[in-house]
Amino acid sequence: NAGVTQTPKFQVLKTGQSMTLQCAQDMNHNSMYWYRQDPGMGLRLIYYSASEGTTDKGEVPNGYNVSRLNKREFSLRLESAAPSQTSVYFCASSEAGLAGVETQYFGPGTRLLVL
Amino acid sequence: AQSVTQLGSHVSVSEGALVLLRCNYSSSVPPYLFWYVQYPNQGLQLLLKYTSAATLVKGINGFEAEFKKSETSFHLTKPSAHMSDAAEYFCAVSDLSGSARQLTFGSGTQLTVLP
Repeated sequence: NAGVTQTPKFQVLKTGQSMTLQCAQDMNHNSMYWYRQDPGMGLRLIYYSASEGTTDKGEVPNGYNVSRLNKREFSLRLESAAPSQTSVYFCASSEAGLAGVETQYFGPGTRLLVL
Repeated sequence: AQSVTQLGSHVSVSEGALVLLRCNYSSSVPPYLFWYVQYPNQGLQLLLKYTSAATLVKGINGFEAEFKKSETSFHLTKPSAHMSDAAEYFCAVSDLSGSARQLTFGSGTQLTVLP
């Protein structure tokens, strides 16, 4: 099993450009998440999807949109990139949406630089 | 909302010395707590998690953490540091908010192991 995979690994954008970060998991998990990681701030939740067909905002959703394409895939879109969106983006998945103490499994990350 | 505070953004220890990474949480309900490790240019990997079954939790790579309700702490320890332990460590608390459990992360502690 590959676990959680993310593409691309690295991307450079100019201000105003758009792009979509892709995430896929092969663990048959219900919930998926997008985080951004900035120095000294840990990881902050952008959006999450408790199950196929549902998405919800996290702590820092402004400037982003998401699509839960199917149970495996959860994409993050930047419609008009800004330098403040320069960050490392992590996708994660977990088994259950509500009950239990499910562990989140993380992808390797996408490093995004917005000039 | 729950929160996590990691004391010390950088910790240095000598190889073979005790590792102690501090984490304090705030929560109005019994929390679920996690420690993750991030090696350079990689995603996060679960070290251990507290699920209320036992206050002393053993994880991978010789790490363990003790849940102390009276101190609202969940400090991570390892008796003898190894060079391969050099990484960034994140404490996180799980919160049921909205439609899925969410993780709130601390700001991270960078561990340096000196030869």
